[in-house]
Amino acid sequence: QQQVKQSPQSLIVQKGGISIINCAYENTAFDYFPWYQQFPGKGPALLIAIRPDVSEKKEGRFTISFNKSAKQFSLHIMDSQPGDSATYFCAASKETSGSRLTFGEGTQLTVNP
Amino acid sequence: NAGVMQNPRHLVRRRGQEARLRCSPMKGHSHVYWYRQLPEEGLKFMVYLQKENIIDESGMPKERFSAEFPKEGPSILRIQQVVRGDSAAYFCASSPWGGPEAFFGQGTRLTVV
Repeated sequence: QQQVKQSPQSLIVQKGGISIINCAYENTAFDYFPWYQQFPGKGPALLIAIRPDVSEKKEGRFTISFNKSAKQFSLHIMDSQPGDSATYFCAASKETSGSRLTFGEGTQLTVNP
Repeated sequence: NAGVMQNPRHLVRRRGQEARLRCSPMKGHSHVYWYRQLPEEGLKFMVYLQKENIIDESGMPKERFSAEFPKEGPSILRIQQVVRGDSAAYFCASSPWGGPEAFFGQGTRLTVV
């Protein structure tokens, strides 16, 4: 009930391509869905987040698509760059639970030059 | 405005010793969360604290682990009688008002030998 499933586990994309990472959740009480970016040896950094009242949110090259009925959300990275190479985590929480986040397993993204 | 500060960054302990991990939240933040990241896995919630109070410790192992966030000073995650399975990266996050958006520190990487 509390799980968040993330795929793929790893992804290799050419520079300039589109990176797509998918997540699915089970708990319909979740109402906040952030994506985090983590570089080796660093802590996760909030990239972009969405709430279920909208189906899409875009910030620069990063877009979240959200499908409430399917209980799925995805991260799209347009014009992927080598500097985007990192591990990406989706997460979900109930806003009333503060920042008690349930994380996906992570996707290691490599963008080749 | 300094971010979330964790120390030490790296900690090596022998089996049976105690590990103390410290977390100073961002200035003005009174909500602290601890997460554990095992190798090649996502982050798992451990405990949510406010000043002098434990709000949610549902992710804490029942034995050997404890956490506190005193009125003055950093939050402390304490692991007694460490075992090899405790080897992981421990991340602290803070938020200003208990909302879902949290800011992570760089983590403490604990190695038990």
